[in-house]
Amino acid sequence: GNSVTQMEGPVTLSEEAFLTINCTYTATGYPSLFWYVQYPGEGLQLLLKATKADDKGSNKGFEATYRKETTSFHLEKGSVQVSDSAVYFCALRNQGGKLIFGQGTELSVKP
Amino acid sequence: DAMVIQNPRYQVTQFGKPVTLSCSQTLNHNVMYWYQQKSSQAPKLLFHYYDKDFNNEADTPDNFQSRRPNTSFCFLDIRSPGLGDAAMYLCATSRDGGEKNIQYFGAGTRLSVL
Repeated sequence: GNSVTQMEGPVTLSEEAFLTINCTYTATGYPSLFWYVQYPGEGLQLLLKATKADDKGSNKGFEATYRKETTSFHLEKGSVQVSDSAVYFCALRNQGGKLIFGQGTELSVKP
Repeated sequence: DAMVIQNPRYQVTQFGKPVTLSCSQTLNHNVMYWYQQKSSQAPKLLFHYYDKDFNNEADTPDNFQSRRPNTSFCFLDIRSPGLGDAAMYLCATSRDGGEKNIQYFGAGTRLSVL
């Protein structure tokens, strides 16, 4: 079946540090891949997406590349800010159109 | 410009007292979804509407119902809330159900059950 696995949190970084949140997936076919961000007390916001192999999604300094050979979609940012503190969800959308989420990774950025 | 609007943001109800959460959208999307998200967990799909067609997830309790009177509005009804139903409820929409379509989420309604 389809599934998404993220690195466990919480992840605590200092401001301007480099961020990587690992995400791997299991799926039949070639699903679209997404990163959503959830700020405290809020709903989910789409951060970036990629719809086919080798696509790179990017937004607000965050990037993720769809790697078919390693079934991965790791999220990276070169220099995090305090305002990036949130929970990040990796997700795939399967052929039936359903979103399958990872368990979420909490990021805390300290000044 | 809010596109998926959930009201209220916070809802308190009593054990066993029916409660309705609402969602509206300005995107004219065909599909509307309801998710339940408990603390520190991923959102869990309860059901969705594709136009007027209702699609229930196999493990959604009968206590949860939904109505979609028109394209713009969708309601989540909890007939007899239990303490275990306290959660954030998220509404989402997408243009259609295809695998490449993005789901847009509302800000959520946090439900407390006393």
